[in-house]
Amino acid sequence: SQQGEEDPQALSIQEGENATMNCSYKTSINNLQWYRQNSGRGLVHLILIRSNEREKHSGRLRVTLDTSKKSSSLLITASRAADTASYFCATDARRDDKIIFGKGTRLHILP
Amino acid sequence: DGGITQSPKYLFRKEGQNVTLSCEQNLNHDAMYWYRQDPGQGLRLIYYSQIVNDFQKGDIAEGYSVSREKKESFPLTVTSAQKNPTAFYLCASSILRVGTEAFFGQGTRLTVV
Repeated sequence: SQQGEEDPQALSIQEGENATMNCSYKTSINNLQWYRQNSGRGLVHLILIRSNEREKHSGRLRVTLDTSKKSSSLLITASRAADTASYFCATDARRDDKIIFGKGTRLHILP
Repeated sequence: DGGITQSPKYLFRKEGQNVTLSCEQNLNHDAMYWYRQDPGQGLRLIYYSQIVNDFQKGDIAEGYSVSREKKESFPLTVTSAQKNPTAFYLCASSILRVGTEAFFGQGTRLTVV
């Protein structure tokens, strides 16, 4: 059973616009992470937010976490063509140390 | 350079054969994971290990086997019992501490011919 579910499944925006992706999960978590995957490659860690944090920034990335709604959002500001990739949220549940991924959002930045 | 290495990058298997995918890390990480990714889909956990000589089943362990004889290595065997093995396989490792990132290999694409 997958813990996280991203929304939307796919997103196309113009270069320079902001991109927002959402993640919902089912059980209590220790942390939530966001990863990026270029086509046919491994995943790269972007940012981690702990369950007692509400917002975190890293460069052009902004992540929010709402534990009451069991949801998180990833905002990429001033998008670039190089941001084209799939983005996944991942959670590690309090009951065990497994890292469980969602199905991802495929982001396409249009020139 | 520290990192996690998967080999081979591409692997072809005949039906009925077992194949083993290699995963090696020199990051001194305790935890290692195997995930399967199907086209356009997310990652599903096959097996994970938090310590040498111990491992646990993930969500889709049937038809797969693993070993963890060394801290650095976590090979995955896709057995003939796995009826639909064609997929992209990703190995990852992390420090065994809550709230740490996972480092991924570049993946092995397995195709049944």
